[in-house]
Amino acid sequence: KAGVTQTPRYLIKTRGQQVTLSCSPISGHRSVSWYQQTPGQGLQFLFEYFSETQRNKGNFPGRFSGRQFSNSRSEMNVSTLELGDSALYLCASSQDRRRQETQYFGPGTRLLVL
Amino acid sequence: AQKITQTQPGMFVQEKEAVTLDCTYDTSDPSYGLFWYKQPSSGEMIFLIYQGSYDQQNATEGRYSLNFQKARKSANLVISASQLGDSAMYFCAMREGPSGNQFYFGTGTSLTVIP
Repeated sequence: KAGVTQTPRYLIKTRGQQVTLSCSPISGHRSVSWYQQTPGQGLQFLFEYFSETQRNKGNFPGRFSGRQFSNSRSEMNVSTLELGDSALYLCASSQDRRRQETQYFGPGTRLLVL
Repeated sequence: AQKITQTQPGMFVQEKEAVTLDCTYDTSDPSYGLFWYKQPSSGEMIFLIYQGSYDQQNATEGRYSLNFQKARKSANLVISASQLGDSAMYFCAMREGPSGNQFYFGTGTSLTVIP
């Protein structure tokens, strides 16, 4: 099975712009979670989608949004980019069919905001 | 309170030696899962090992084992026979309750294997 894929892998934007990141989960996985990782804040949970519905949400401003499509692919959008949004954005998927199932991560998208 | 605490920001180990990475957790839910991930410099998080709260035995996966001490709420990762390729960040994580709850991650431990 192919792993979790994320596109693009690298992105450079300027302040005020918006960006859309894409995540394709492992085939058969219905849950997709997004994380932001920075040297200062570590790994922070953004949100989780399951069957096209946001199931959990972290403590991020409304500029961060996401969605999930019927094929479980997910996108996250960041509007009005700030310098502090520069980070590695990781996507993770799981089947979510049994208790405590693990998440499998993609390679991440490195976003640099100038 | 922090859900997951990793108190070792950095660790060094000699090649072929064993190393223990510490992790303590905080939950009042009787049902939870504990996970360890490895993150090389490339950035991808690699799943290593899982321990369920009701599992009677410590989990093992090849050179990785999890020293699960439920009463102390600790879930330390033991890497035996360290290899140079083990140099990476290691993250401990927890998920409470049934599936559907978010994962909580620790701040990570940077492991360097010395030849």
